[in-house]
Amino acid sequence: SQTIHQWPATLVQPVGSPLSLECTVEGTSNPNLYWYRQAAGRGLQLLFYSVGIGQISSEVPQNLSASRPQDRQFILSSKKLLLSDSGFYLCAWSGGSGNTIYFGEGSWLTVV
Amino acid sequence: KQEVTQIPAALSVPEGENLVLNCSFTDSAIYNLQWFRQDPGKGLTSLLLIQSSQREQTSGRLNASLDKSSGRSTLYIAASQPGDSATYLCAVISNSGYALNFGKGTSLLVTP
Repeated sequence: SQTIHQWPATLVQPVGSPLSLECTVEGTSNPNLYWYRQAAGRGLQLLFYSVGIGQISSEVPQNLSASRPQDRQFILSSKKLLLSDSGFYLCAWSGGSGNTIYFGEGSWLTVV
Repeated sequence: KQEVTQIPAALSVPEGENLVLNCSFTDSAIYNLQWFRQDPGKGLTSLLLIQSSQREQTSGRLNASLDKSSGRSTLYIAASQPGDSATYLCAVISNSGYALNFGKGTSLLVTP
């Protein structure tokens, strides 16, 4: 069966520090991969999605970036965090357009 | 741009009641619609996926309907239980996109 792992689960980082959140999927190949952010009192916002290795689409301009170095690995990064980057970050995957999307357990980021 | 709205924002019912959660979307050209459940501080769990050609989907005590032409979906929960307490999110994939557009959710509390 397919599983999705996301880490770290919680993170407290100072303003201006770098960020790296990692997500891996097991039990499938060539998945579509997604990063979403859920800020307090707001809905889920799509940040990035990827349909293949090295193929990244950005939905929202910001100081975050994403990379897909391997088929089932998706990384969310920042060189310098802002206070506004605080939130709940969720990685997700699907088997292709039109298929069910499955989410990881999320990573809580607090920028102080 | 696709806008997804969920009504009500919060709902409290006594155990055993049947209830309906509503979701509306502005662009009827959707690929599919998905209902999720989110427990506090956790990731999203997929409940039901309805393809654009389908009218409804059922899983246990849950039944989701889709009226694409009117831009509406409902999630029906039969014989509610305290364990059903969570936030329920509706999301759609438009024909032109790969990723889900989410509503802000309905927070459900089922009291014993």
